[in-house]
Amino acid sequence: EAGVVQSPRYKIIEKKQPVAFWCNPISGHNTLYWYRQNLGQGPELLIRYENEEAVDDSQLPKDRFSAERLKGVDSTLKIQPAELGDSAVYLCASSLDQQRAGETQYFGPGTRLLVL
Amino acid sequence: SQQGEEDPQALSIQEGENATMNCSYKTSINNLQWYRQNSGRGLVHLILIRSNEREKHSGRLRVTLDTSKKSSSLLITASRAADTASYFCATEGNNRLAFGKGNQVVVIP
Repeated sequence: EAGVVQSPRYKIIEKKQPVAFWCNPISGHNTLYWYRQNLGQGPELLIRYENEEAVDDSQLPKDRFSAERLKGVDSTLKIQPAELGDSAVYLCASSLDQQRAGETQYFGPGTRLLVL
Repeated sequence: SQQGEEDPQALSIQEGENATMNCSYKTSINNLQWYRQNSGRGLVHLILIRSNEREKHSGRLRVTLDTSKKSSSLLITASRAADTASYFCATEGNNRLAFGKGNQVVVIP
């Protein structure tokens, strides 16, 4: 079974430029998450989708970050414009059904973003 | 905000030794999970312990949970070089998983 796929794996951009990350979750997984992981820290949730609905986006910096999950499968996370502090690893994860506590989340390899 | 705080933050041991790491958290939880992250396999779920459980085993892993002290421990027995990784505890509550900062474990062959 294929795992969570993310692209690109690495991205280097200059500040104020836009950037987008793409995620394809495990087939059949209804719930999709985007996390940001700063160096030396654990992942922090940015947004959670149940199918195509964003049900938890309270930690998404909405002035510059946006996300979408059209048709409830693939998802895109965008930053516009990027700032130096956005340099981090952006992780996508999916699970079968977050409504049930303890559902295992499966993580993709992440996109490592460097903003210069 | 991150909930879990792991201790020690860095641990170096010889292959074959046991590795123990601790995690403390602040609020009530449904369950606590441990994840491993290394460059080869990314972030991988290891084990989950529910709030009404006190101890759980999975292969060479043993997890304990003390909800009165809001703490958990992860024991890896007979460590291997492949266990070299960062280990994160994550607490689940309110449909959200909150990760700690992680323990860096190095197993020396």
